[in-house]
Amino acid sequence: SAVISQKPSRDICQRGTSLTIQCQVDSQVTMMFWYRQQPGQSLTLIATANQGSEATYESGFVIDKFPISRPNLTFSTLTVSNMSPEDSSIYLCSVGASAGNTIYFGEGSWLTVV
Amino acid sequence: AQRVTQPEKLLSVFKGAPVELKCNYSYSGSPELFWYVQYSRQRLQLLLRHISRESIKGFTADLNKGETSFHLKKPFAQEEDSAMYYCALTSGTYKYIFGTGTRLKVLA
Repeated sequence: SAVISQKPSRDICQRGTSLTIQCQVDSQVTMMFWYRQQPGQSLTLIATANQGSEATYESGFVIDKFPISRPNLTFSTLTVSNMSPEDSSIYLCSVGASAGNTIYFGEGSWLTVV
Repeated sequence: AQRVTQPEKLLSVFKGAPVELKCNYSYSGSPELFWYVQYSRQRLQLLLRHISRESIKGFTADLNKGETSFHLKKPFAQEEDSAMYYCALTSGTYKYIFGTGTRLKVLA
């Protein structure tokens, strides 16, 4: 399975600011995804990070709020823009396995907005 | 609506007792079902998938299409099984729908 590293692992942010989360994979992967897990809730897919093109966002998520970059097959970033306390969540990077529909997760980035 | 339901937020059992973590789903079509597990201070990881029909760490899960369920079972719980368990489905496109998770506590 791929080794996925996320930075930062944890941060406390001021409302109105933006934070960029980085996701680095130790091998080239086609499919990369960003999930959000709000406190006490399930994981929700934010978007699919597409290499060389704009990310594909799920219903309820927009590019202005969650801009995503995917410059190559091993790296992606998710920015949480103009943060409010409702954005306090764990943000997870995940990648698709080369076979089957299994996905692997990074350790997550725990953001608290104050 | 597509949905995965895990009715129990917390399940406590004694060591050696049987465990059943419930998962029901609502999906039009033929989804793939998975169980993911998150041990303390570790990342979320795949436990098992229904199409593999395998037993991992003593856990099994059978897909019941009639009842739209995919319950996770283990005949004898171990303390190291204590973790957060998530049931999830995908339509085959890597896009997952997760349940809210069940915290399993195995008591000594």
